[in-house]
Amino acid sequence: QKEVEQDPGPLSVPEGAIVSLNCTYSNSAFQYFMWYRQYSRKGPELLMYTYSSGNKEDGRFTAQVDKSSKYISLFIRDSQPSDSATYLCAMSGYRVGDRLAFGKGNQVVVIP
Amino acid sequence: GAGVSQSPSNKVTEKGKDVELRCDPISGHTALYWYRQRLGQGLEFLIYFQGNSAPDKSGLPSDRFSAERTGESVSTLTIQRTQQEDSAVYLCASWGTETYEQYFGPGTRLTVT
Repeated sequence: QKEVEQDPGPLSVPEGAIVSLNCTYSNSAFQYFMWYRQYSRKGPELLMYTYSSGNKEDGRFTAQVDKSSKYISLFIRDSQPSDSATYLCAMSGYRVGDRLAFGKGNQVVVIP
Repeated sequence: GAGVSQSPSNKVTEKGKDVELRCDPISGHTALYWYRQRLGQGLEFLIYFQGNSAPDKSGLPSDRFSAERTGESVSTLTIQRTQQEDSAVYLCASWGTETYEQYFGPGTRLTVT
């Protein structure tokens, strides 16, 4: 079983829709949970991070972590064409700076 | 200041040749990571440098892969006797202590023919 599972299926949504992405993981030592956004031919950039369980909101983006279920989610409200990118979940242990374990990523296309 | 830079941006090489990839981290960042991203896959950890500590090489897939870093400066990733399965984007990231974020470079797209 891979440490981080993210169904890599592409996702196409109309502009203004809610995008819902999720990952599951197996390593209970993970404490930091992140979502990265990667545009084509660019390096990933950090979108949001959460420490331990709970919700975090930043503008149109909401990240949720449920450690009891080993499940994390990212929601994008009022999606825009500029949100079209690949979204990767990532997580690491308790030591800040630990290597990240990544999911495979979801390619999201927001159709105007 | 400037972000993480990597060179070359693209590299095409013949099977069996050696290649060297370069990463310039953000100035002052003590930690540097190399990851590999194959088509349709997530990022695979390769190696981690933290200051003057011994690097964490646990992700290197074979002894054909090696990396060096002098102090807190440039790092080079070397792949010897390249194979077609080495074709991927190689990403470098650096991390400082001011935030939790690992900052990624744009990557080097390696194609082995």
